[in-house]
Amino acid sequence: ETGVTQTPRHLVMGMTNKKSLKCEQHLGHNAMYWYKQSAKKPLELMFVYSLEERVENNSVPSRFSPECPNSSHLFLHLHTLQPEDSALYLCASSQETHNEQFFGPGTRLTVL
Amino acid sequence: SQELEQSPQSLIVQEGKNLTINCTSSKTLYGLYWYKQKYGEGLIFLMMLQKGGEEKSHEKITAKLDEKKQQSSLHITASQPSHAGIYLCGADNHGAGSYQLTFGKGTKLSVIP
Repeated sequence: ETGVTQTPRHLVMGMTNKKSLKCEQHLGHNAMYWYKQSAKKPLELMFVYSLEERVENNSVPSRFSPECPNSSHLFLHLHTLQPEDSALYLCASSQETHNEQFFGPGTRLTVL
Repeated sequence: SQELEQSPQSLIVQEGKNLTINCTSSKTLYGLYWYKQKYGEGLIFLMMLQKGGEEKSHEKITAKLDEKKQQSSLHITASQPSHAGIYLCGADNHGAGSYQLTFGKGTKLSVIP
């Protein structure tokens, strides 16, 4: 247990569905991250929130919409996804943005 | 070209053998992080190195940072099946106040009992 939980662990959705991924950290950290991990590619940073403010959006398509209602929770809202969006989505948190990041177990997403 | 190169891509060793994984950055390193990942799961933080020449150990795993070469190595002594997994290095190439880590593609380690 790293202190970062993610739900659901697995998700299968059609291209017209709308779903949300949830991340919760119990470490008292003030920065949270969404990463995408695809097969045979390096981990890709998608979004960063520091003190509940978004500080980075790495050219992520608008079909991915993050939400950070407080420093402990982070959501990733998904709509009209494409099959190439199938991947492992990892959430992480850290104390300040330049310290080591602690990762959740990930959500395995499959888009049909 | 890849900003962070890991070698080898995969490694199969007999239990009890030593091994080394390397991570080389094409940019200045302000910090280097090592993580371990079981297939399809999250990353487990192993060690963080920030100063040139720094060396850290945890149980049978030792990591070193060569700042001049912009390189880090992870050494496992007397490997065990529990060491199997994917080892990822993450680089801080931006310094204080940065939040972006660049990750390598990982090294898949298999340990044969």
